[in-house]
Amino acid sequence: DAGITQSPRHKVTETGTPVTLRCHQTENHRYMYWYRQDPGHGLRLIHYSYGVKDTDKGEVSDGYSVSRSKTEDFLLTLESATSSQTSVYFCATQGGADRPTEAFFGQGTRLTVV
Amino acid sequence: DQQVKQNSPSLSVQEGRISILNCDYTNSMFDYFLWYKKYPAEGPTFLISISSIKDKNEDGRFTVFLNKSAKHLSLHIVPSQPGDSAVYFCAASDPGTYKYIFGTGTRLKVLA
Repeated sequence: DAGITQSPRHKVTETGTPVTLRCHQTENHRYMYWYRQDPGHGLRLIHYSYGVKDTDKGEVSDGYSVSRSKTEDFLLTLESATSSQTSVYFCATQGGADRPTEAFFGQGTRLTVV
Repeated sequence: DQQVKQNSPSLSVQEGRISILNCDYTNSMFDYFLWYKKYPAEGPTFLISISSIKDKNEDGRFTVFLNKSAKHLSLHIVPSQPGDSAVYFCAASDPGTYKYIFGTGTRLKVLA
């Protein structure tokens, strides 16, 4: 399994505050992803990165921003947290170069916005 | 507009029998499909995949079938075991972008 570490694992924050979630990988994978999991919606892509400083939006990107200044780190920021952003967030990485391969997931971050 | 759909939210199967999980997709350009298993409080783990140039891939008890004309794939688990009880997600790779689009998941319960 790819070495993927998400931090923090749990966080409770207040509405309107900024929040940053971190994903760190040790596999030198090119592609990194942020998903959120919600009942009835499965896993929805928020943002993804295809290289250092190269990012693109996913299905549910409103209210979120990302940054990738190093291959190993992918940060997800909620600029002003809302209750609708209460969710479990998963980071994933994928190392395929000329063709897609399996993606590996971190353990998740449970975020509660009160 | 959901591009990857799993229309059965849950499935119960007796231990030792076959489990069949289904997935439909709308984008005929998807070129790679995957199945993941997820236990509570853990991240999804990769199970099996299939390229769009194939129609079957087998790995032990797990077989994935792809029917491109119907835009349908299925995961067969034979024989089913209680430890297989989990949520199963299918996913598709958007060609060129390497975006992975997931379905809503099917909760499988294998009864002992």
